[in-house]
Amino acid sequence: RKEVEQDPGPFNVPEGATVAFNCTYSNSASQSFFWYRQDCRKEPKLLMSVYSSGNEDGRFTAQLNRASQYISLLIRDSKLSDSATYLCVVQFSGSARQLTFGSGTQLTVLP
Amino acid sequence: DAGITQSPRHKVTETGTPVTLRCHQTENHRYMYWYRQDPGHGLRLIHYSYGVKDTDKGEVSDGYSVSRSKTEDFLLTLESATSSQTSVYFCAISESEGTDTQYFGPGTRLTVL
Repeated sequence: RKEVEQDPGPFNVPEGATVAFNCTYSNSASQSFFWYRQDCRKEPKLLMSVYSSGNEDGRFTAQLNRASQYISLLIRDSKLSDSATYLCVVQFSGSARQLTFGSGTQLTVLP
Repeated sequence: DAGITQSPRHKVTETGTPVTLRCHQTENHRYMYWYRQDPGHGLRLIHYSYGVKDTDKGEVSDGYSVSRSKTEDFLLTLESATSSQTSVYFCAISESEGTDTQYFGPGTRLTVL
């Protein structure tokens, strides 16, 4: 079983739609959680950190459920520019700042 | 954008040849990392460095070595390249204290024939 699992998609949604991505992680002793975004043939870039209380950045909302070992990302009012692969990332405790990446969920926003 | 460059950006080589990839940063960050990215696997950590001459292995370190003689440079060497090492290689950096955010370089696309 992978340590960080994501639905690979692809998710094809129309502009303006709301889309949600889920991610589960296997190690309960996890410390930090992130969503990264990766455009085609580009490097990953931090989208947002995920906090236990949940956090929002404009159209993006991230949630963390430690009891269920589950992370989510919600994108409201999708834009064409949101088309990318979204990577769920977990830092496990005691791992010297090592991050474990999910395989990513591919999103295409259609006009 | 964080000041991270990787060289070369693209390389085609033959099985059995040595290959060195370079990561250069201008941010004076303490931590540097090498990842490989393959379809279906996501990014996997090869080696990382927590200071000059301080390095450690990651998840997929077999067949790779690293060196860090200066804060700004982190080299990844494939001593004898194999076709299974065909991949996209990303370097990343993170600050020394108080944050776990990693910033990635543009990547090197390596093909081993």
